[in-house]
Amino acid sequence: DAKTTQPTSMDCAEGRAANLPCNHSTISGNEYVYWYRQIHSQGPQYIIHGLKNNETNEMASLIITEDRKSSTLILPHATLRDTAVYYCIVRQLSNTGKLIFGQGTTLQVKP
Amino acid sequence: SAVISQKPSRDICQRGTSLTIQCQVDSQVTMMFWYRQQPGQSLTLIATANQGSEATYESGFVIDKFPISRPNLTFSTLTVSNMSPEDSSIYLCSVITGGKTQYFGPGTRLLVL
Repeated sequence: DAKTTQPTSMDCAEGRAANLPCNHSTISGNEYVYWYRQIHSQGPQYIIHGLKNNETNEMASLIITEDRKSSTLILPHATLRDTAVYYCIVRQLSNTGKLIFGQGTTLQVKP
Repeated sequence: SAVISQKPSRDICQRGTSLTIQCQVDSQVTMMFWYRQQPGQSLTLIATANQGSEATYESGFVIDKFPISRPNLTFSTLTVSNMSPEDSSIYLCSVITGGKTQYFGPGTRLLVL
């Protein structure tokens, strides 16, 4: 599976959009981009995933560049409860595609 | 989605003893995974547990230390054997649903003294 690179930490003001970048320059054609977050040592929570088109759900939006070498997770109106470690993971969409976690980005939402 | 429960939620154990962690899922799933998260670290995959076959372990993890059972499509156990303080971690169960999304349990917090 391709490796991802994320900033170690980011801050965001409450109520503003949080934009979390991820680089995955070695991604292959059958690999999806997944985002998870982990709040205060709870189990990781699935957020969103995509292949090449932009995706949106009730939690976030995922913007993937046309060359698929990077992506951005957008939390449109960050709240204090969004403070967490956010993981960007590249994975094959098959039953054998394992989730391999990197170090992630620690997002601190400030009042 | 899948609802995953783990027992115990936390435990404090003496070195040299063993602890079995249970994972229960509210639906039938083919693939289950066990992860470890050491203090201040990211998650590390221990093994993949498929029903009807032996677990597949990742590099650095062996069956004698982390035996896994998978008796049916909704349940699995992970045993941490002959524990030492270095085994103090959060142990997480995870499953892949039919929609190919992977979900995680709440974790079992283990402290070995």
